[in-house]
Amino acid sequence: DAGVTQSPTHLIKTRGQQVTLRCSPKSGHDTVSWYQQALGQGPQFIFQYYEEEERQRGNFPDRFSGHQFPNYSSELNVNALLLGDSALYLCASSLEAIWAVDKGAKNIQYFGAGTRLSVL
Amino acid sequence: AQTVTQSQPEMSVQEAETVTLSCTYDTSENNYYLFWYKQPPSRQMILVIRQEAYKQQNATENRFSVNFQKAAKSFSLKISDSQLGDTAMYFCASQGAQKLVFGQGTRLTINP
Repeated sequence: DAGVTQSPTHLIKTRGQQVTLRCSPKSGHDTVSWYQQALGQGPQFIFQYYEEEERQRGNFPDRFSGHQFPNYSSELNVNALLLGDSALYLCASSLEAIWAVDKGAKNIQYFGAGTRLSVL
Repeated sequence: AQTVTQSQPEMSVQEAETVTLSCTYDTSENNYYLFWYKQPPSRQMILVIRQEAYKQQNATENRFSVNFQKAAKSFSLKISDSQLGDTAMYFCASQGAQKLVFGQGTRLTINP
């Protein structure tokens, strides 16, 4: 059973550049959430995608955008990179479908290993 | 709004000892879930245990158990018979509608 996979593992960019991070959800999952984890901090919610639409958004500027494809995979795009965007970006997938028997299982988010972004 | 607070930045115990990690939370949601995640140096966030807020019974998962005090909004994690592989960052998190809200984490070290 394939888990959540993210690419690339590491990325180095310079200020002002744009970056795209990719995520493939766990097999059978239909919802993808993105989190930013600064060094020494807990993850912060960026946004969540379901049925190819952004369903909920955290307190992040419009420079952060995303996309979900028909196969449920997702991309996170960050424009005009700032030094403060340096962080570990985590993708999590979950199952939203109403036919999920275990209501609790519907809310469990499974995480990938993340992409470490360094902005110089 | 949801907030999660972990007041212990670091903890250290000897192998085979029992350790308890503290967490308090605040939420305006009526239906919510609470989680403990483990993040080893490999960075992968691994689910340790979950608690459905509408259930009074404390969740257990092998050596891991929680003490859920809903009125006090407290959700502590107890690790029994600790092992070297338990060394990691531990994050408490709450979930209302969709998003997870995490605490700052507790760095747990198990010493041989």
